[in-house]
Amino acid sequence: GAGVSQSPSNKVTEKGKDVELRCDPISGHTALYWYRQRLGQGLEFLIYFQGNSAPDKSGLPSDRFSAERTGESVSTLTIQRTQQEDSAVYLCASSLVAGAGFFGPGTRLTVL
Amino acid sequence: KNEVEQSPQNLTAQEGEFITINCSYSVGISALHWLQQHPGGGIVSLFMLSSGKKKHGRLIATINIQEKHSSLHITASHPRDSAVYICAVRLIIPAGGTSYGKLTFGQGTILTVHP
Repeated sequence: GAGVSQSPSNKVTEKGKDVELRCDPISGHTALYWYRQRLGQGLEFLIYFQGNSAPDKSGLPSDRFSAERTGESVSTLTIQRTQQEDSAVYLCASSLVAGAGFFGPGTRLTVL
Repeated sequence: KNEVEQSPQNLTAQEGEFITINCSYSVGISALHWLQQHPGGGIVSLFMLSSGKKKHGRLIATINIQEKHSSLHITASHPRDSAVYICAVRLIIPAGGTSYGKLTFGQGTILTVHP
């Protein structure tokens, strides 16, 4: 595709349920990032994938959060046992080299 | 204190005015980014700077590494420039570190340009 795509665009879930968010980066981009933006707050780094290197998971807020990426393609961010404080817009970005990159439209997650 | 501070937090201007948004950081960085987030939420990367100055259309970004400060200027502002402008830095990682890709963000500056 022409840009980074994310799905779903909106997700409403009940507290305690698991959710999976998907990111399709721009083809050929080796770097992929996940960020979170809670309502009224700034962007927070979650995780960074670069090629076949071990991902930088230093931004994941708890062990309920995990992410995977298959090669240089799709990435999924999984949140287990969701909590209300997980409600946020989850943004994915990709780039050829490490940089701010091209951002996807985000997934708005609401945990009731 | 946040590692990245932006000012002002909110900025209102009349169409045509010259606008400056400031970003100060307290750590050693390898690069600084300016991002634009539109009211609908979409984010666009405007500039990546490691030194000096860059210009794109009506936007100009400067950085002073010694003073740990960057500015984003908008000339002849227009209502379509209304957005949140975000400064983000890539920290210098000590030898052996792996966090080359991580960005640390400022809180953003909400710009509203009235016709």
